[in-house]
Amino acid sequence: QKEVEQNSGPLSVPEGAIASLNCTYSDRGSQSFFWYRQYSGKSPELIMFIYSNGDKEDGRFTAQLNKASQYVSLLIRDSQPSDSATYLCAVSEEYGNKLVFGAGTILRVKS
Amino acid sequence: EAGVAQSPRYKIIEKRQSVAFWCNPISGHATLYWYQQILGQGPKLLIQFQNNGVVDDSQLPKDRFSAERLKGVDSTLKIQPAKLEDSAVYLCASSLVGGGPNEQFFGPGTRLTVL
Repeated sequence: QKEVEQNSGPLSVPEGAIASLNCTYSDRGSQSFFWYRQYSGKSPELIMFIYSNGDKEDGRFTAQLNKASQYVSLLIRDSQPSDSATYLCAVSEEYGNKLVFGAGTILRVKS
Repeated sequence: EAGVAQSPRYKIIEKRQSVAFWCNPISGHATLYWYQQILGQGPKLLIQFQNNGVVDDSQLPKDRFSAERLKGVDSTLKIQPAKLEDSAVYLCASSLVGGGPNEQFFGPGTRLTVL
């Protein structure tokens, strides 16, 4: 059973701080890693994906991947109240787009 | 560009009844997915179509769930008979092709409540 583990939170950070979200996965064959944001009552929307070890930056977001440790993280700089949502980590095998999602981490940014 | 469309948005039924959900993917997207998201959990893939063929249905409870994608465009997901544990949001997603880290675009979902 392929698993993706996330701390359910809630993770509370003050406005302007860095939010750090973490995810571990069980399948060493996983090749692609995704972070989705889901507002309450809404559907998931892709923030970014990463498939190489190291860091990938997109605006205020940085994804970090360590395949040896089977660990992926998302950093949100200058957190805003509008970032308050559930962040879902998802992984997929190299071939095919089947995604396995974690349960998500609730992030609350306090103004 | 129009997004993924789903209907109905909400459905309330009693256990043992049947229900069907409809999805229209983004135009040109060959791959279509149905996910089940139970409250407090991440989405779980039920079935993946590539055009009108099934790629993966390993987590679809086939004794009660069925899905089809006629003509490789619209898709329907049916539950018959429904159980209390089927209460969830059913999300449809689509992507350009299966294979590789292509972005999946999600529809608004159908919230099913089974009483």
